[in-house]
Amino acid sequence: GNSVTQMEGPVTLSEEAFLTINCTYTATGYPSLFWYVQYPGEGLQLLLKATKADDKGSNKGFEATYRKETTSFHLEKGSVQVSDSAVYFCALSENYGGSQGNLIFGKGTKLSVKP
Amino acid sequence: DVKVTQSSRYLVKRTGEKVFLECVQDMDHENMFWYRQDPGLGLRLIYFSYDVKMKEKGDIPEGYSVSREKKERFSLILESASTNQTSMYLCASRTGAGNTIYFGEGSWLTVV
Repeated sequence: GNSVTQMEGPVTLSEEAFLTINCTYTATGYPSLFWYVQYPGEGLQLLLKATKADDKGSNKGFEATYRKETTSFHLEKGSVQVSDSAVYFCALSENYGGSQGNLIFGKGTKLSVKP
Repeated sequence: DVKVTQSSRYLVKRTGEKVFLECVQDMDHENMFWYRQDPGLGLRLIYFSYDVKMKEKGDIPEGYSVSREKKERFSLILESASTNQTSMYLCASRTGAGNTIYFGEGSWLTVV
């Protein structure tokens, strides 16, 4: 079945450090891939997405590239800020000829950024 | 902007009580979802609905039921709450053909 594996946290970085959160997936077809972010006490917000191989999603300085050959969608940011402290979820959704399957989530990675 | 509203942010209920968690979306989305979120387990799908009066079991439906009488509203029901249902519950919605799911802010339920 489909699954998402992301690196376990917590991840603690100093402000302006480089961030990578690894995400790999298993899927039978050609899924869409997502990163969601959850700030403390809030629900999940879509951070970025990519719908086909080699697509790069980007938002708020974060980037992730859909790599079909390595079945990966790693999240990166060149310089993190304290305000980036949150839990990050990688997810996939299968495409079924124009309709979408349910989202399958990784377990989340907690990021703490210290001043 | 899409708005998914969960009526209760924080609830405390007693074991055996019947609990209703309400969710409303304002974008005419066909699909709606209920997840629970627990530390170390991520998000797990409880139930989803592709349209009015339709419902499908997710990965962990035991102990829960749902109701979708109107397109904009999707209710999660705990018929007899138990302490292992203490969790954060997240409602979400999506268009039928869309691939972006929008989440509410979550409902923290404590069962004592």
